[in-house]
Amino acid sequence: DQQVKQNSPSLSVQEGRISILNCDYTNSMFDYFLWYKKYPAEGPTFLISISSIKDKNEDGRFTVFLNKSAKHLSLHIVPSQPGDSAVYFCAGLLYNFNKFYFGSGTKLNVKP
Amino acid sequence: EAQVTQNPRYLITVTGKKLTVTCSQNMNHEYMSWYRQDPGLGLRQIYYSMNVEVTDKGDVPEGYKVSRKEKRNFPLILESPSPNQTSLYFCASSFSRVGTGELFFGEGSRLTVL
Repeated sequence: DQQVKQNSPSLSVQEGRISILNCDYTNSMFDYFLWYKKYPAEGPTFLISISSIKDKNEDGRFTVFLNKSAKHLSLHIVPSQPGDSAVYFCAGLLYNFNKFYFGSGTKLNVKP
Repeated sequence: EAQVTQNPRYLITVTGKKLTVTCSQNMNHEYMSWYRQDPGLGLRQIYYSMNVEVTDKGDVPEGYKVSRKEKRNFPLILESPSPNQTSLYFCASSFSRVGTGELFFGEGSRLTVL
């Protein structure tokens, strides 16, 4: 039973435009939500996180939005750059249990 | 350079032949964990460790063992590998109590069990 779902396996965006990656979750007990980026043949790297008590967190070109009533979060990348082409994983963290639950990933392709 | 190092990066083995995937971190992290990545399933947690001699099961621990005798090392042991353990494995580490969720991942170990 996947507690975190990414329903779009892939997304293609033109350079300079906005990329929106979506994630849904079922467990309302998650304390944090996170986004990781993964390039081929490398391990995932942390991108941005948001506490469950917030609804927005911004870091440069990356903004994560959390809609708790819909159990939905999204990652916005503005403007998108070719170097952003990677697989993006969202994850939920149960802090007291030290457990992370990852989605299946969305492959983003930013076209020059 | 701060890093998490896994070995081997690639391995092909046969059913039943015991193997160990090593993981070492040089950041003095207390928390370490193992994940497997399979198509359509994302990353699933196998085991984690909060500190030396403290380990606990993740969501898919069957068929795996771990040990944490030293803070920097967290090996993953497959006592009797089976084909359904063919996967891409990642080791990760973090500061104690995983903070806001920033894990540092190794580069991955691709295991094929024939």
